[in-house]
Amino acid sequence: AAGVIQSPRHLIKEKRETATLKCYPIPRHDTVYWYQQGPGQDPQFLISFYEKMQSDKGSIPDRFSAQQFSDYHSELNMSSLELGDSALYFCASSSDRNIQYFGAGTRLSVL
Amino acid sequence: AQSVSQHNHHVILSEAASLELGCNYSYGGTVNLFWYVQYPGQHLQLLLKYFSGDPLVKGIKGFEAEFIKSKFSFNLRKPSVQWSDTAEYFCAVKGTGANNLFFGTGTRLTVIP
Repeated sequence: AAGVIQSPRHLIKEKRETATLKCYPIPRHDTVYWYQQGPGQDPQFLISFYEKMQSDKGSIPDRFSAQQFSDYHSELNMSSLELGDSALYFCASSSDRNIQYFGAGTRLSVL
Repeated sequence: AQSVSQHNHHVILSEAASLELGCNYSYGGTVNLFWYVQYPGQHLQLLLKYFSGDPLVKGIKGFEAEFIKSKFSFNLRKPSVQWSDTAEYFCAVKGTGANNLFFGTGTRLTVIP
C-alpha cells in the first residue's frame, strides 16, 4: 500500500538559509499534518491542512510557512534557519482526521 | 491544557518478560488515544488506537492497551517482549473534534536477548 512520501530524506543547510520540505500524502487523503521532532524529544505539532486550507496551527515559528496544493501535496517552507531548527520533520496524512499515517521524515541539519 | 505523560523514560527488559508502559493524559473533553512505535531510524507507526467501545484494545505485534477513563490512563502492555520490540513508544491523544495529536515524551524500550 502507498505510504506518505517525504522529500528530501536528509537536508543540510547553513544558518540564515532557507529550506523547503515536501510531503506527498497517501492517495485520497485530504488532510496533511506537519510535526517537528527535536533530538530526544517528542513530536510537536506545527500545522495542518484540510482540503488545501489551513485547519489548525501549533507551535510553528513565524519564519516557517506551509501550504497544501491542488494535488494535496504539502510544502513546509523554512526561512532564516537557526541552529535550533535542526530536527526531524514528519508529515502525516489522514482521510478521516482520526488516524494519522506518518512519513519517514526529513532530517534537517542546520550548521 | 492538554498534556500526555509517560512516566518511564527508559525501560530495559529481557526477552520474554512482560511489558507495561504507563500513559496518563489531561484533556478537557472526549479523546481518541493512540500508541505509536518508532523503530531506530524509522518513522512513527501506529500500534493501536482507542476511539470508543471496549476499553481493552488490541493492536499489532501482540500489543494491547487499556483505557481507564477514571484514571485518565491508556497503558500499553505486551505479555512477552522480543528483541525486535526495541524501539521508542509514544502515547498520543487527540480531542475528537480536534486535528492534531499531542504526544507524550516517549519511552525507550530496550529488550536484551
